[in-house]
Amino acid sequence: NAGVTQTPKFQVLKTGQSMTLQCAQDMNHEYMSWYRQDPGMGLRLIHYSVGAGITDQGEVPNGYNVSRSTTEDFPLRLLSAAPSQTSVYFCASRPRYFGAQHFGDGTRLSIL
Amino acid sequence: ELKVEQNPLFLSMQEGKNYTIYCNYSTTSDRLYWYRQDPGKSLESLFVLLSNGAVKQEGRLMASLDTKARLSTLHITAAVHDLSATYFCAVLTNNNDMRFGAGTRLTVKP
Repeated sequence: NAGVTQTPKFQVLKTGQSMTLQCAQDMNHEYMSWYRQDPGMGLRLIHYSVGAGITDQGEVPNGYNVSRSTTEDFPLRLLSAAPSQTSVYFCASRPRYFGAQHFGDGTRLSIL
Repeated sequence: ELKVEQNPLFLSMQEGKNYTIYCNYSTTSDRLYWYRQDPGKSLESLFVLLSNGAVKQEGRLMASLDTKARLSTLHITAAVHDLSATYFCAVLTNNNDMRFGAGTRLTVKP
């Protein structure tokens, strides 16, 4: 059972570079989300999607873009990396109505 | 703006003791989630509470939800070292996004 798969697991970027964090789930979940986790803070929602073709902003969307062309995939794009975006990023998915939210293993991103 | 507040943020317990972690939230919601996170790891789902008065138990952990008081509790019974971790509560909003508390870092000492 793959669940939620995130790639890469680690990444170092220079300020101003762009990149895409990949997220895929094989549970046919409608809802997918991206969070960032910073030390001493809980998870903060960046963007989420309630189904293919539908996305919405969370608490901290600035500097990030998402798209949802299929049910399975929900990539997160950093447009122009900044040191403030150094964080651990988690992708998650859950069913529409009931059931737990499943998390990927996370991507540890450092921006120099 | 929705706020989800956990307390305490840090908790050091002796093995065998009982304690409760509290999760207060500021908006109407009838879905509350508890997660566990070990250092350097991802989040593991513990409980999903779907209605007022819901109570769920797994081993030494028991979670409850009072939607009228906007309060959920995670009760730890006879703590053991293996329960050392960070515990998060999260609330599902009316927009169907999920907001997390800051987490409670639990350390169980022999």
